Amino acid sequence: QSVLTQPPSVSGAPGQRVTISCTGSSSNIGANYDVHWYQQLPQTAPKLLIYANNDRPSGVPDRFSGSKSGTSASLAITGLQAEDEADYYCQSYDSSLSGYVFGTGTKVTVL
Amino acid sequence: EVQVVESGGGLVQPGGSLRLSCAASGFTFSSHGMNWVRQAPGKGLEWVSYITSGSTTKWYADSMKGRFTVSRDNAKNSLYLQMNSLRAEDTAVYYCARATLMSRAFDIWGQGTMVTVSS
Repeated sequence: QSVLTQPPSVSGAPGQRVTISCTGSSSNIGANYDVHWYQQLPQTAPKLLIYANNDRPSGVPDRFSGSKSGTSASLAITGLQAEDEADYYCQSYDSSLSGYVFGTGTKVTVL
Repeated sequence: EVQVVESGGGLVQPGGSLRLSCAASGFTFSSHGMNWVRQAPGKGLEWVSYITSGSTTKWYADSMKGRFTVSRDNAKNSLYLQMNSLRAEDTAVYYCARATLMSRAFDIWGQGTMVTVSS
C-alpha cells in the first residue's frame, strides 16, 4: 500500500479545471521532499509532467501546474482536453522507508 | 535521441530468477542515477530500486530487499536488475527510468519489459 494517497478518479467537462490531491505525511511531503507528477496514457509508459513541486519539463503545456503545502501536494489541469484523459501519479521520497514512493494514482476522465 | 530500452523479461516459475537489462543512449549515462519501477497488470506504479551514478548507493523497496539486486556498467551504458526468489506478485511490467540531476525526478522512461511469474 502506498504512503501517498490520491483520489481514485476525477472528471470534468472539456475546458474545465480539475485538481488532483496527493496526501502524504511528515516523512515524505511534509519533510519538504520534492513532489513530482507523472501522466500515463493508456498502454504507454509514464511521462514526467511536473518536477520539483511546480516546474514543467519543456513541452508540457502550461495548463498543467503543481503546488505543495504542508503534507499535501496538488496537480491542477486547466482547460481540460480530451487528450488529458489518463492516469496521474504523484511521487516523492520517504525518509522512513529510505526510498521513493508513488501515489495511489488518479484516473482523469473527460466527460 | 535520449532513450532507455529494457529487455530480459519473460515467463519464469515461482522461486526462479531473471535478470533485466536497460540500455541507455543519447545522454551521459555515468552522470545519472537510475531507477527501476514496476506496474502489475491493472495496478499503479511501484518504485523498485535506485542506484547512484557511481553505484555507491543502492536503495530498494522493502518487498524487494534481499531478493533483488540493482547494478550498472557505465562503460556499457547499461543498468541491470537481478531478481531472485520470484513470486507471483512480482508479475509486472518493469520500467527503467533516469533520475534528473537536480530533483531526481524520473524524466526518461523506457517502454518496459513484462515479467510473468507463473507455474
